[in-house]
Amino acid sequence: AQSVTQLGSHVSVSEGALVLLRCNYSSSVPPYLFWYVQYPNQGLQLLLKYTSAATLVKGINGFEAEFKKSETSFHLTKPSAHMSDAAEYFCAVTSNQAGTALIFGKGTTLSVSS
Amino acid sequence: EAGVAQSPRYKIIEKRQSVAFWCNPISGHATLYWYQQILGQGPKLLIQFQNNGVVDDSQLPKDRFSAERLKGVDSTLKIQPAKLEDSAVYLCASSLMQGRTDTQYFGPGTRLTVL
Repeated sequence: AQSVTQLGSHVSVSEGALVLLRCNYSSSVPPYLFWYVQYPNQGLQLLLKYTSAATLVKGINGFEAEFKKSETSFHLTKPSAHMSDAAEYFCAVTSNQAGTALIFGKGTTLSVSS
Repeated sequence: EAGVAQSPRYKIIEKRQSVAFWCNPISGHATLYWYQQILGQGPKLLIQFQNNGVVDDSQLPKDRFSAERLKGVDSTLKIQPAKLEDSAVYLCASSLMQGRTDTQYFGPGTRLTVL
């Protein structure tokens, strides 16, 4: 069965610093991986997704993620944090069961200080 | 393009009462999902529809939860009777098709508090 593990429930960075949010997956089939962001009292918004076309995936708001099969990882990065990046981030993998639901990690809360 | 609409946004009920949530997906989206997000956790699928047929409801507590998607557009999720552990945010999402790489678009959610 598919699963996702997000390392670190809370990450704090200074404005302008590198953002690194970690995600490791477990999958019995080639995975399709997603990063979503959730702002307070809002739904989830897609940042980027890996669909096997390219291992380095660029998303919105300057975020990118690299798929590394050997490490079973799909870490999210951004070179320079902005105050507006403060939110909760979820890594997810598509289920390979009956449907196509997303299986989410527990999330990482990103705090950005000035 | 209008996003996924959900109502109500907030609901407070007593345990053993019933409650219903409504979702209107993005126009033309064939696939609709209901997820439950408990505080401090990621969303977990309750049920997936393809048009008006159920694709996956393996994680839906069918003794108390029910869902329907009449005419393959709007959907309602009902809880009857509610338990304390049902306190969560209920998210509706839709996607154009049912591919494993299709983007799911989420609504703002309904926050349910069961007292």
